[in-house]
Amino acid sequence: DVKVTQSSRYLVKRTGEKVFLECVQDMDHENMFWYRQDPGLGLRLIYFSYDVKMKEKGDIPEGYSVSREKKERFSLILESASTNQTSMYLCASSRTGGAGNTEAFFGQGTRLTVV
Amino acid sequence: QQPVQSPQAVILREGEDAVINCSSSKALYSVHWYRQKHGEAPVFLMILLKGGEQKGHDKISASFNEKKQQSSLYLTASQLSYSGTYFCGTGSSNTGKLIFGQGTTLQVKP
Repeated sequence: DVKVTQSSRYLVKRTGEKVFLECVQDMDHENMFWYRQDPGLGLRLIYFSYDVKMKEKGDIPEGYSVSREKKERFSLILESASTNQTSMYLCASSRTGGAGNTEAFFGQGTRLTVV
Repeated sequence: QQPVQSPQAVILREGEDAVINCSSSKALYSVHWYRQKHGEAPVFLMILLKGGEQKGHDKISASFNEKKQQSSLYLTASQLSYSGTYFCGTGSSNTGKLIFGQGTTLQVKP
């Protein structure tokens, strides 16, 4: 069974803390994604990685960085958490099939609250 | 830029039909459709590739007009299980990058 696993379902952090959100997939997918989901704004792409150590900025990369040292793992880093980063974070992965034409599989999400 | 979905929300009675539209300002290679139920992860419905194809399974189908940079999702004879938020995702390059719209909330009532 295909699986994308995010390390935490719920996380509470303090303003200014460095926060790591981890995502692991077991499907040997080349592509991995981090999205942020807020009511009325849908799924906004933060970062996308198409290979180990390769990344591309999404629509809202400010305040975030990513790391992909191994194919199966994609980490999202909040360098200095702020209250406006309180949100649901979703990780996804997909196989490379050219032209974005393969199904994406999502993790269950991490609800991050910054206080 | 995110694709734009319309309507933002729709309420139906069981058995009624609905259409959800998705349009992009960029040329598209592919369009994905996903459904997310409350508290769950988005789940894949279908992918349409450029070429103006139409796809469907069960009573849910979709079309993709590459020239107009638009796609539509058709839900016919809706069931209670169709309730959720529908997202279109657009692939604009050959890297696999996927950008989603803001979602359309569909509620089907008995």
